[in-house]
Amino acid sequence: TQLLEQSPQFLSIQEGENLTVYCNSSSVFSSLQWYRQEPGEGPVLLVTVVTGGEVKKLKRLTFQFGDARKDSSLHITAAQPGDTGLYLCAGEDSGGSNYKLTFGKGTLLTVNP
Amino acid sequence: DAGVIQSPRHEVTEMGQEVTLRCKPISGHNSLFWYRQTMMRGLELLIYFNNNVPIDDSGMPEDRFSAKMPNASFSTLKIQPSEPRDSAVYFCASSLYSTGELFFGEGSRLTVL
Repeated sequence: TQLLEQSPQFLSIQEGENLTVYCNSSSVFSSLQWYRQEPGEGPVLLVTVVTGGEVKKLKRLTFQFGDARKDSSLHITAAQPGDTGLYLCAGEDSGGSNYKLTFGKGTLLTVNP
Repeated sequence: DAGVIQSPRHEVTEMGQEVTLRCKPISGHNSLFWYRQTMMRGLELLIYFNNNVPIDDSGMPEDRFSAKMPNASFSTLKIQPSEPRDSAVYFCASSLYSTGELFFGEGSRLTVL
């Protein structure tokens, strides 16, 4: 069974601060997706990383896939209250069941104004 | 375009009652997924359909759970009889292909008393 550990579990910061959240596994994934989920809503895809070492930027968000494709990080610069939400990483099985995404439990981020 | 539509948004029922959750995927998507989200276990895949055919139901907790997809625009998840431990948010998601971006509905929050 592939597992994804996300850290920290909870993070509360002030507007304008920078932060990094992590997604780690002992398993190799074909790709890794990051989703953001707001209260009462379903998760929404932010980005997919595919290549080991890949870095993708989405405005103030920077996503990195580890060289060995076992881990990933999300860095937010100058966080804003609108960034508040549950950040979930999800790994695509590198075996035959490529439809099967393994989700971490998420990092709940609160950005205070 | 309409996203994934789920109903009901909230359901409160008593132990032993039958619960039916409904999902309308995005038109043209050939893959449909049912997930369950709890604080303890995060997002768990219950069942995956491809072109209306159940491909993987290994995540269905037990025989009390069943899912159907009679056509490309409708799916149901049924719990009979329901138990308090079934309380969770149930998400339906669809995607264009078996891999790639998942589009989630807003979820059905189930409370079994």
